[in-house]
Amino acid sequence: EAQVTQNPRYLITVTGKKLTVTCSQNMNHEYMSWYRQDPGLGLRQIYYSMNVEVTDKGDVPEGYKVSRKEKRNFPLILESPSPNQTSLYFCASSRGLAERYQETQYFGPGTRLLVL
Amino acid sequence: KQEVTQIPAALSVPEGENLVLNCSFTDSAIYNLQWFRQDPGKGLTSLLLIQSSQREQTSGRLNASLDKSSGRSTLYIAASQPGDSATYLCAVRPEWETSGSRLTFGEGTQLTVNP
Repeated sequence: EAQVTQNPRYLITVTGKKLTVTCSQNMNHEYMSWYRQDPGLGLRQIYYSMNVEVTDKGDVPEGYKVSRKEKRNFPLILESPSPNQTSLYFCASSRGLAERYQETQYFGPGTRLLVL
Repeated sequence: KQEVTQIPAALSVPEGENLVLNCSFTDSAIYNLQWFRQDPGKGLTSLLLIQSSQREQTSGRLNASLDKSSGRSTLYIAASQPGDSATYLCAVRPEWETSGSRLTFGEGTQLTVNP
């Protein structure tokens, strides 16, 4: 089954404790990205990746890091989480430039993070 | 900066009713527009994608239209069912976005279809 998976689905942590949220897709997609969703602000892109070893900042990258060492995985790293990073996080993937006109984005189920 | 607005924020209808959800965007220089459905505890599911050169797309009971010049899109749901209850989001991709898949989302319309 084609899907985007995220782990963990729920996480409670404390300020300053490094954490990683994993994201994996099995569709051989080139593009992957991370969004956060907050009430009143909607979904905002954090980082995206065009392909392996190619990443770039989205609209709200501060406080986050990403890496793309393999095509299928795109982990989101919070080096020193703060309470304002409490949010619902989504990973998404889509096909590459050759398929740009059919680039429906596929989303993971979300990770709900609470930083105390 | 692109802004996407969805009206209404919430809508409650009886089963069987036809309904229209609205999406407007401030910058008409878009590449495409997508409608998504979001269910609690689940991710977003893409419903329809309309290219900037297209006027509408249909999938089953769903029909999405796009008027790029006026910055508007509508999602029409025919013969609504309780299973259609969800939050519906629209998102646009800017025309200049050649290196990524950045989308700007609206805040969504929360739809409840009552049996």
